[in-house]
Amino acid sequence: DADVTQTPRNRITKTGKRIMLECSQTKGHDRMYWYRQDPGLGLRLIYYSFDVKDINKGEISDGYSVSRQAQAKFSLSLESAIPNQTALYFCATSDFGEKLFFGSGTQLSVL
Amino acid sequence: QQQVKQSPQSLIVQKGGISIINCAYENTAFDYFPWYQQFPGKGPALLIAIRPDVSEKKEGRFTISFNKSAKQFSLHIMDSQPGDSATYFCAASRGSSNTGKLIFGQGTTLQVKP
Repeated sequence: DADVTQTPRNRITKTGKRIMLECSQTKGHDRMYWYRQDPGLGLRLIYYSFDVKDINKGEISDGYSVSRQAQAKFSLSLESAIPNQTALYFCATSDFGEKLFFGSGTQLSVL
Repeated sequence: QQQVKQSPQSLIVQKGGISIINCAYENTAFDYFPWYQQFPGKGPALLIAIRPDVSEKKEGRFTISFNKSAKQFSLHIMDSQPGDSATYFCAASRGSSNTGKLIFGQGTTLQVKP
């Protein structure tokens, strides 16, 4: 079983729709992150959370929001999806060490 | 503004050859430099990392070379194998408590031909 699970794996939605991407982890890590990956741009940090009561904006937070429902769950929402939010989204976790553990990603297409 | 610039975008190497991927950074406050490896359909996974107090770190066939004065670091893959075919990302962060807040390079797609 995967330690960091993202759902759904693929999602197609329309412009203006609200969508939520979910992430759960069994690693027991306090720190969770959302990144997006675009061809030619690498990965960019959207939001991160160091514990249940902590939420921080990353490099590209506009148009996104997050919720840390529990230590193991961190969801990313697009309130009104737009086509340039089409990307591969990754959730990741870490403890106080240096290593990030990534999920397998959610491919989102906004038409 | 890309704070970490990675090259080349793609690389083809023969089996047994050396693969070299380069990265340059701008922010002198960066103090942690990892390399992540990503296979198709998977998330990135940490391959090797270095801090600026050393100029080189080796783990098996993978070596990071770090040049603090030039603000550059590179990944060398010795005796490249077809199983090394993947996308490689360099990254950087600053602050010992912020090693998960990474600035990534653009990525390099490596193909190792048998």
